[in-house]
Amino acid sequence: NAGVMQNPRHLVRRRGQEARLRCSPMKGHSHVYWYRQLPEEGLKFMVYLQKENIIDESGMPKERFSAEFPKEGPSILRIQQVVRGDSAAYFCASSPGARGMNTEAFFGQGTRLTVV
Amino acid sequence: KQEVTQIPAALSVPEGENLVLNCSFTDSAIYNLQWFRQDPGKGLTSLLLIQSSQREQTSGRLNASLDKSSGRSTLYIAASQPGDSATYLCAVDGGKSTFGDGTTLTVKP
Repeated sequence: NAGVMQNPRHLVRRRGQEARLRCSPMKGHSHVYWYRQLPEEGLKFMVYLQKENIIDESGMPKERFSAEFPKEGPSILRIQQVVRGDSAAYFCASSPGARGMNTEAFFGQGTRLTVV
Repeated sequence: KQEVTQIPAALSVPEGENLVLNCSFTDSAIYNLQWFRQDPGKGLTSLLLIQSSQREQTSGRLNASLDKSSGRSTLYIAASQPGDSATYLCAVDGGKSTFGDGTTLTVKP
């Protein structure tokens, strides 16, 4: 059973371009979470998705950021018109159940986005 | 709003020493608490998960305790080794977790 897979591991984008980060959860997990870790800072929750639904996006910036978890395929975190302040490590986690159930979170290796 | 604090922010110890990392949280209505390890430039490795109904969990040289009423958890590392050098993070509540800023541990040979 492969772990949570994120790709690419490293992504370089010029200011104004779009960044697409992918996350494939562990097999059997239907709950996906995205976190951002800014340089020298802790992990901050961004968004929680189940298949085809956004459950909680309270940590998502209001503009330029969007996330989806389609019925088929990986979850995608999209950042439009990137700025230098978007440079960070973006981590994806998955779990087999929702809060209150077996919610041990398993994390991917992250995508390190650099905006130049 | 849940807030998680980890003390100390950094810790340096000689090899072989036993040590304790602390995690405190403001809202005791939690489902679980999870301890992670993060190596520089790497992802997070889950170390221990404590459900809210449990008091402690053990894995090898690691022991984590949970006191919900006081909003505290500790991670005890026995007989520390240089390979234990990393940042240790605690996260409260499961998938949508609130993380502390971590304790960076250095174990000197």
